[in-house]
Amino acid sequence: DQQVKQNSPSLSVQEGRISILNCDYTNSMFDYFLWYKKYPAEGPTFLISISSIKDKNEDGRFTVFLNKSAKHLSLHIVPSQPGDSAVYFCAASGNSADKLIFGTGTRLQVFP
Amino acid sequence: EADIYQTPRYLVIGTGKKITLECSQTMGHDKMYWYQQDPGMELHLIHYSYGVNSTEKGDLSSESTVSRIRTEHFPLTLESARPSHTSQYLCASSEYLSGEGQDTQYFGPGTRLTVL
Repeated sequence: DQQVKQNSPSLSVQEGRISILNCDYTNSMFDYFLWYKKYPAEGPTFLISISSIKDKNEDGRFTVFLNKSAKHLSLHIVPSQPGDSAVYFCAASGNSADKLIFGTGTRLQVFP
Repeated sequence: EADIYQTPRYLVIGTGKKITLECSQTMGHDKMYWYQQDPGMELHLIHYSYGVNSTEKGDLSSESTVSRIRTEHFPLTLESARPSHTSQYLCASSEYLSGEGQDTQYFGPGTRLTVL
């Protein structure tokens, strides 16, 4: 049973537009959420995180929104750039704060 | 951000061979992890360590073993490789972010293992 779900395996967005990647979770004990970006044959790169005491965290072009009641978080990238094309993983952790549970990823393609 | 190194980046090996995947970090992080990932799938934790001489199995059962003799080094060993071990292996270490009050994991570049 997957505790972290990324239901969209792929997303295609035009350069300059907003990219919205979604993630749902089932475990109400999760209290820390992270987004990672991964290029093929490379390790994931940490992008941004949010703890459950917040509903929004922003870092440059990246903003993560957390809706605890819906058990849903989203990553907004604006404006999208071709270099953002990669697989984005959502991850969550709970009481055992450093055991991350990952989603299956969403492949983002930003075209000119 | 952590500096984590993994070698080799790519390895193609025959069935039955013993292999060791190397992972080192230079940040002095106590916590280190090994994940396994297949294409289109999530990362699965297979081993973790909270410090020297501490190793634990992760959520995904794995025939590999690990050791943690030095803080900076966390190698993974397969005694007898099989085609089912073909995967990408990712090493990570974690840093406590005081602003978030949480550990955040940083990953190495990974080793893509192919067992023929």
